[in-house]
Formats: sequence, structure tokens, C-alpha cells
Amino acid sequence: KAGVTQTPRYLIKTRGQQVTLSCSPISGHRSVSWYQQTPGQGLQFLFEYFSETQRNKGNFPGRFSGRQFSNSRSEMNVSTLELGDSALYLCASSLAGNQANYGYTFGSGTRLTVV
Amino acid sequence: TQLLEQSPQFLSIQEGENLTVYCNSSSVFSSLQWYRQEPGEGPVLLVTVVTGGEVKKLKRLTFQFGDARKDSSLHITAAQPGDTGLYLCAGDRGSTLGRLYFGRGTQLTVWP
Repeated sequence: KAGVTQTPRYLIKTRGQQVTLSCSPISGHRSVSWYQQTPGQGLQFLFEYFSETQRNKGNFPGRFSGRQFSNSRSEMNVSTLELGDSALYLCASSLAGNQANYGYTFGSGTRLTVV
Repeated sequence: TQLLEQSPQFLSIQEGENLTVYCNSSSVFSSLQWYRQEPGEGPVLLVTVVTGGEVKKLKRLTFQFGDARKDSSLHITAAQPGDTGLYLCAGDRGSTLGRLYFGRGTQLTVWP
């Protein structure tokens, strides 16, 4: 079966711009989580969506937002980009967002560079 | 502050050596996972441990979950260059659906 697909793979943006990243989960998976990975902080949780509802949110400013569509595809948006937003953005899909039972599968990520 | 403290941060060893990576916390987890990540790719799940005291083996890799479900270890026997990568532990707190708490990772390099 197809894995988790993230697009685009690479992105270069200028400070102050906004960006939208996309994640298509494994077919049948209804939970999509987003993480930011940087060398200094490691993987930090952004938010999680299940059946189009945000169930959980990490400690990121309001410039970071997301949504999930009825087909479980998810997008995240970052507005007013800052240099510190440069990172690998990863999404993970699971059947229900309960790791103990179902497990998470990660996409390859979107490498965002802000200049 | 990281909920999960992972050590060591870097490990550089020769092929054939053994190694252990530790993942510690003061918090209890419903389950703990270990991932391996290659440069430019997402983490790939290696194993999930759920029961306190559980030991799982995956070929040359042995994973252990602490009795109190607060810590875990990954032991690799006779490391090979193909084991090179970033090893991440991640915990699930059960009550926070869809969220994993990650350690900062151990960058392992195995030299031929």
C-alpha cells in the first residue's frame, strides 16, 4: 500500500511570506500529526487532526495552523515566516492516533528553508 | 525541556562492537517506540514496547521497557555499517491522543 506522501519535498521561502505544506496519509488512516524537526530541538509536536477535528496542539505560535479534509489529507500553514522556521516538517499518519494499538507511519518530510 | 532524555547524543564505533542507547524520563508512558531515521527521510518505526519489563528482539537489536514504564534501552550486538543512522525514542502518554514525545536522538556511526 502507498505510504505517507508529503509535498513538496523542498521549499525555499523569504522571511514574511507564508507557506502551505501537504500530507496525504495512508489510505484508511484518519489521524494525521505534524512535527517540526530541527538540529537543536529535535522533533517537536505541532498538532494532530482526526476526522477533520484538531484534537491536540503543541506549544507553537498562532502563525502555525493546520486543517484536515474529509479524505483525511491534511495541510499545515505557516504565516509570516521567520528564519527560525527553517526545519524539516514531518507528518505521521495512524488509524486512530493511538500508538499503543496502531502505530505511526511518517512521511519523508518537507524541508523548508527561510531566507 | 524534553520529557524523554536520550543518551548518548553521539556514538561512533567500529564494526563488530556492541552498544546501548538509553531513553529516560520521570514520566510514565503507555508505550514507547524506537525509530531510525536516515538523512532527509522520515523516522521509520523499529519497535513498540507496551508492557513494563518487556523485552523485544529484532535480529541484532534488543529493546527493553523499564518495569515502571519510565525508561527504555536499545542494545545493538555486533554493529554493522548499515546500522548507521539517527535513533529516536518516542513515548505515548495515552491521554494525549495523536502525540508522541520524542527524545533528541542518538546519532550512530559504525565504521567498517
